[in-house]
Amino acid sequence: AQKVTQAQTEISVVEKEDVTLDCVYETRDTTYYLFWYKQPPSGELVFLIRRNSFDEQNEISGRYSWNFQKSTSSFNFTITASQVVDSAVYFCALSDPKAAGNKLTFGGGTRVLVKP
Amino acid sequence: KAGVTQTPRYLIKTRGQQVTLSCSPISGHRSVSWYQQTPGQGLQFLFEYFSETQRNKGNFPGRFSGRQFSNSRSEMNVSTLELGDSALYLCASSLASGEETQYFGPGTRLLVL
Repeated sequence: AQKVTQAQTEISVVEKEDVTLDCVYETRDTTYYLFWYKQPPSGELVFLIRRNSFDEQNEISGRYSWNFQKSTSSFNFTITASQVVDSAVYFCALSDPKAAGNKLTFGGGTRVLVKP
Repeated sequence: KAGVTQTPRYLIKTRGQQVTLSCSPISGHRSVSWYQQTPGQGLQFLFEYFSETQRNKGNFPGRFSGRQFSNSRSEMNVSTLELGDSALYLCASSLASGEETQYFGPGTRLLVL
């Protein structure tokens, strides 16, 4: 069975600090996709990034960067120079290639509070 | 391009009633998935529809059902509502079915009294 664990339930930082969100996943599949979504207070899940299991190259996109390590089944996400607008709940998700169609397994989420 | 839209945004029902929620996907997207979000269980997959066919179903009782129309719009129905059905119901659309990136709507917040 698939499982995604986000051990940090809440992180509080002061504006301009960096924030790293941890995500550990379990799957028996060799091919899969990992995602990060952001959920602001409005409730809508906003897609941030997607990575496939064959691409361990870490990248930076603006203030976002991610560290994918297949050997440790981790897919961590960093916000650099945080801003108040980054305050939200962040979810890590794992695709299920054995399921027909689209199905995501989500972690429990990490609430990020950025204080001015 | 307009995003995923869901109606209604808020709903209050009483136990035993039934409810229908609607989702319009992003133009050109043919797959629609539904998720339930509660404080206790988190985000859980309900089902996915592609080309008017249910592709996959999560672990939910038969009271939860859905359908998709030829224009890719989707509805989900919950019959005989229970207090535990109070949740945020999120709809997501993607271009096709099969590990596609899903884009979510704002959700319908359902309160069952």
